Amino acid sequence: KAGVTQTPRYLIKTRGQQVTLSCSPISGHRSVSWYQQTPGQGLQFLFEYFSETQRNKGNFPGRFSGRQFSNSRSEMNVSTLELGDSALYLCASSRETSGPQETQYFGPGTRLLVL
Amino acid sequence: DAKTTQPPSMDCAEGRAANLPCNHSTISGNEYVYWYRQIHSQGPQYIIHGLKNNETNEMASLIITEDRKSSTLILPHATLRDTAVYYCIVTSSNDYKLSFGAGTTVTVRA
Repeated sequence: KAGVTQTPRYLIKTRGQQVTLSCSPISGHRSVSWYQQTPGQGLQFLFEYFSETQRNKGNFPGRFSGRQFSNSRSEMNVSTLELGDSALYLCASSRETSGPQETQYFGPGTRLLVL
Repeated sequence: DAKTTQPPSMDCAEGRAANLPCNHSTISGNEYVYWYRQIHSQGPQYIIHGLKNNETNEMASLIITEDRKSSTLILPHATLRDTAVYYCIVTSSNDYKLSFGAGTTVTVRA
């Protein structure tokens, strides 16, 4: 079974631009979560989608948004990029919920560099 | 507020077993112990999880003490490719997000 895939793997943008990242979950997985990982802040939760609905949201500004499609694929968008948005963006999928009974499996991540 | 405590680093010889400890003294009855690892700049990889019984899969074994206040992840035959940061986390069905601490940086040496 194929794992979680994320595209693109690497991205370089300049301040003020916007970016869209894509995540394809494991087949049959309906929940998709997004995380930002930086050396200073560690892993931080952005949001979680299930059945095309955002169920949970972390403490990030409105510049960070996402959506999920009917095939469970998800995208996240960051508008008006800032230098501090440089990070590894991780997508994780699980079968139904985000609970421990439903293990989250991570993708390889998208490395975003904002110049 | 970290729920787990892990040593910051440890070395292991290739081919030997690596035993990674984790303290979770405040774990509650409905919380599971999960282990993930992250090889440099890659996404975290799920290893194993358990509630109270010891667990084993193709990657590792998880030993949980009877009082559930600590656990040990065992990599039976460490290889160079096992060099990574290993995260022990506790989580329940009420947690919709995973929270990683600093983890243990494991270096496997030839």
